[in-house]
Order: sequence, then structure tokens, then C-alpha cells
Amino acid sequence: KQEVTQIPAALSVPEGENLVLNCSFTDSAIYNLQWFRQDPGKGLTSLLLIQSSQREQTSGRLNASLDKSSGRSTLYIAASQPGDSATYLCAVLETSGSRLTFGEGTQLTVNP
Amino acid sequence: NAGVMQNPRHLVRRRGQEARLRCSPVKGHSHVYWYRQLPEEGLKFMVYLQKENIIDESGMPKERFSAEFPKEGPSILRIQQVVRGDSAAYFCASSPPGAAAQYFGPGTRLTVT
Repeated sequence: KQEVTQIPAALSVPEGENLVLNCSFTDSAIYNLQWFRQDPGKGLTSLLLIQSSQREQTSGRLNASLDKSSGRSTLYIAASQPGDSATYLCAVLETSGSRLTFGEGTQLTVNP
Repeated sequence: NAGVMQNPRHLVRRRGQEARLRCSPVKGHSHVYWYRQLPEEGLKFMVYLQKENIIDESGMPKERFSAEFPKEGPSILRIQQVVRGDSAAYFCASSPPGAAAQYFGPGTRLTVT
């Protein structure tokens, strides 16, 4: 059974800092991995999707990497801003089906 | 260019009533997924549907829950005889065929009193 773990569970940083969020998964048979952002009481916004054959994806200040063999992904946020404050979720799509398996999320607070 | 639409956004039901949650996928997407987020818990897969077919319902509770995605109209998640433990945020996602990104709606927050 696929399990996704995100570390840390919560993170508080000053504005301008570069930071890394970690995601690990137990079964490397995945099609892709998605990083989402969830604001309190809101839905999910897809940030980046990495196909299993890819090593990384970039969008603006965000960079996500994937090491499928070790079951790890990282989300790098450069020059963090208070508007980045949200919960960040990692999810994997397995080759055996179409369900996304989510981690518990990292709650990020960027202080002005 | 509308994204995934869900309604209602908030729904309050008394114990024993029925709840109907609606999801309209992104135009052109034929795959719909429902996920549930219980308070203080992560998102959990419930069911995966294509038009007129349930493909994977392994995450659905065995009783009281059902889902459909008819040929015309939105996908419906139906919860009969709701209990307090059904209070949660229910999210719908859609995707085109293939192992593509899933796009999520804003969710329906169900409160059972």
C-alpha cells in the first residue's frame, strides 16, 4: 500500500528565505507526482507535476525534483513571501490505478 | 475557461438526512475523482468515474455512499442517512484520459448537525 510522508509538518520562516519541503513515498511504481497548495478553507491549486521519467520541474520561484528510485521529492521555494503561506501537499499517482495518494502536508508560514 | 465547479460550497444537514454533492468537470475532461478531507486529516481517495461507469470505488465506504457520472450533467456524490462522522470537505477533481494532472474544484464542506 502506497504511503506518502511529508516533512516537516509545519515550518515558519522569515520573508526572503529559501526553503525546502520534503516528500517521500514507499512504492516507486508511480506515473507522476504533483505538488499542490491549499489555502485555509479553500481547494487545491496544482503547482507542479513531474512525470516519472523526469527529474525536475520549475515554475517561477518553485522547483520540484523527483528521485523515483529512492522514493523522494523536494519542493524548493526561492525568496519566500508572506503570500506563500499555505499548506503544501504532495501526491503520487500510482501505475496500478488512477488514485492520487496524498501526504499529510506541510503548513508553511512566511513572516513579514 | 472554467475549472472544476462544485456546488454547493457549504452544506448543512441534520443526522439522517441525505446529502447530494455536485461536480462539473473541466470542459473536455472525461474522468472524475472524489476525495474526502476529514478534519485534521489528509485527503483520501473515494471513487474514480468515467462517463456512465464507476472505474474504482475502493475508497468509498461500503454503506450509504454512492457516486455517479451520467452521460449528461454533473457527477453526483450521494450520502444517505448522514452521520456526524461524515462532516468533512469533499473535493472533486477531473482529468483528461491518460496519466495526466488532476485539477481540483473548490470543495463542498459538509456539516452534519
